[in-house]
Amino acid sequence: AQSVAQPEDQVNVAEGNPLTVKCTYSVSGNPYLFWYVQYPNRGLQFLLKYITGDNLVKGSYGFEAEFNKSQTSFHLKKPSALVSDSALYFCAVRDKGRDDKIIFGKGTRLHILP
Amino acid sequence: NAGVMQNPRHLVRRRGQEARLRCSPMKGHSHVYWYRQLPEEGLKFMVYLQKENIIDESGMPKERFSAEFPKEGPSILRIQQVVRGDSAAYFCASSPRDRGFTEAFFGQGTRLTVV
Repeated sequence: AQSVAQPEDQVNVAEGNPLTVKCTYSVSGNPYLFWYVQYPNRGLQFLLKYITGDNLVKGSYGFEAEFNKSQTSFHLKKPSALVSDSALYFCAVRDKGRDDKIIFGKGTRLHILP
Repeated sequence: NAGVMQNPRHLVRRRGQEARLRCSPMKGHSHVYWYRQLPEEGLKFMVYLQKENIIDESGMPKERFSAEFPKEGPSILRIQQVVRGDSAAYFCASSPRDRGFTEAFFGQGTRLTVV
């Protein structure tokens, strides 16, 4: 069965600094990987995904993520954080090639300090 | 193309009553997921359905909870005899049948409060 780990409950970053939100995964086969963001009292919004190809994936709002197969990681990054990036971020995984559910990590709360 | 529509957005039920949560997937999407989010917790998978078929219900509590996705109409998550611990935000997501590389699209959620 697939699983996702987000080891940090909360990440604090000063505005303008680079940010990283960590994610590691476990699947029996090859993964599809996703990042979502949730603002207060809202649903989840899709940010980016890794399907195949280039390990560095670019997504919405200047975010990107790097797929590392050997470390089974898919960390979310942004070169320069904005206060408006403060939100709850979820990493998710799906087993490639199977009609399988999407499993989410427990989420990481990102605080961007002005 | 409207997004995933969930209703109601807020639902208040007394202990012992039934709660019915509805989800209309995006047009052309044949698969629906239900997730539960407790305060300060992550998204817990509940059930994964396609029309007229439950694909995976491994996250559903064994009692009081059921889900369906009929050929016509929205997907329904039904909670019978609600208890205070059922209070949570319930999110629905939909995706097309495409071997899984398309992301799931989420609704705004239904916030259930049991009093």
